[in-house]
Amino acid sequence: EVQLVESGGVVVQPGGSLRLSCAASGFTFDDYAMHWVRQAPGKGLEWVSLISWDGGSTYYADSVKGRFTISRDNSKNSLYLQMNSLRAEDTALYYCAKERGVVVITYAFDIWGQGTMVTVSS
Amino acid sequence: QSALTQPASVSGSPGQSITISCTGTSSDVGGYNYVSWYQQHPGKAPKLMIYDVSNRPSGVSNRFSGSKSGNTASLTISGLQAEDEADYYCSSYTSSSKGVFGGGTKLTVL
Repeated sequence: EVQLVESGGVVVQPGGSLRLSCAASGFTFDDYAMHWVRQAPGKGLEWVSLISWDGGSTYYADSVKGRFTISRDNSKNSLYLQMNSLRAEDTALYYCAKERGVVVITYAFDIWGQGTMVTVSS
Repeated sequence: QSALTQPASVSGSPGQSITISCTGTSSDVGGYNYVSWYQQHPGKAPKLMIYDVSNRPSGVSNRFSGSKSGNTASLTISGLQAEDEADYYCSSYTSSSKGVFGGGTKLTVL
């Protein structure tokens, strides 16, 4: 079964740091780019970051650039999101999502995890 | 990057057809055939319904179809069913090699 399972979400104070993880199974992880997408409570989806299959290319939304770092460990079939200088507006459910395309990255997300909740509050 | 523009809500009766629009710019929707659509039921993760403007993943009903004209993409659901009631989001690749979503549309089946 193709599956993504996120973990690491907690309550953290403003200015704090957090590392999210996403464990992949059921597909050849290192064939695909991976994304993080977030959803604030009661709000819409927001794309956060992309990492290429080999980790050689990364992209970030303007709202998180310079504060968040995406990475992956293909030997462990795992995706990560290091979140620093957290703000109240980063409070959201964070999903990892698999890129559908293999050769071309098209920002179509065909497999999603169930999400991990990050709350930034004092 | 600015969010793509979707209507906040649409509604239709069972059996009818509805269309949800998604308007962007020439730097995203209009510039690439990389528009996708997602269905999200309350408390659930989003589900890919359409990719690359008009392609359906395996297992998605052929009642769902996508199209694009200029800077506006559209999702059409025909033969509306009660289980189609959900939030729908469009997304697109952008010229800055980033992704952008629409604000979401709540579909109500009357």
